[in-house]
Amino acid sequence: DAGVIQSPRHEVTEMGQEVTLRCKPISGHDYLFWYRQTMMRGLELLIYFNNNVPIDDSGMPEDRFSAKMPNASFSTLKIQPSEPRDSAVYFCASSFLRAGANTGELFFGEGSRLTVL
Amino acid sequence: GEDVEQSLFLSVREGDSSVINCTYTDSSSTYLYWYKQEPGAGLQLLTYIFSNMDMKQDQRLTVLLNKKDKHLSLRIADTQTGDSAIYFCADYSGGYQKVTFGTGTKLQVIP
Repeated sequence: DAGVIQSPRHEVTEMGQEVTLRCKPISGHDYLFWYRQTMMRGLELLIYFNNNVPIDDSGMPEDRFSAKMPNASFSTLKIQPSEPRDSAVYFCASSFLRAGANTGELFFGEGSRLTVL
Repeated sequence: GEDVEQSLFLSVREGDSSVINCTYTDSSSTYLYWYKQEPGAGLQLLTYIFSNMDMKQDQRLTVLLNKKDKHLSLRIADTQTGDSAIYFCADYSGGYQKVTFGTGTKLQVIP
């Protein structure tokens, strides 16, 4: 089975440009998470969705960040305008609520490394 | 909010045992996890323990949980160079699948 698929794997852009990161969760998973990883802050949860509905976006740093999930198989994280301090690796993860013995395991994509010059 | 803390770095010699420690604050945690992140890759679940257990063993991995002290550890026996990675402790208290991750411990294995 295909895992979580993220694109692009690497993005280099200039300050002020719009950045769109994409994620395809594992089929059948009804939770989707966006995380950001930096040396300074570690792994931060930005936002997560359940059945395409945003549940908690309290981790989104600023209004420049937005995330959408138009359907069960696709999500985007957009930064507009981008700034150098947004440089990080952005991970998408998916999960599903298993009846009975739910372990909460997350399945991560390989990440999108963003560099804003 | 909930907090999960780990030391940032650990260096061991190949063949020795590694012990990575973690403390957490959420007393309602139901599962505690260890995820492994290899260079350039995403996180992958290594092992987990249910909160009513004290210990779990899985081949070279031993997870110890002290629920009273909210302390979790991961012991890797006979550490190999392929074990070099960042190890994240995480906890889950149910509900909307929200998992809180620690800062990660970078394990360096010296040949």
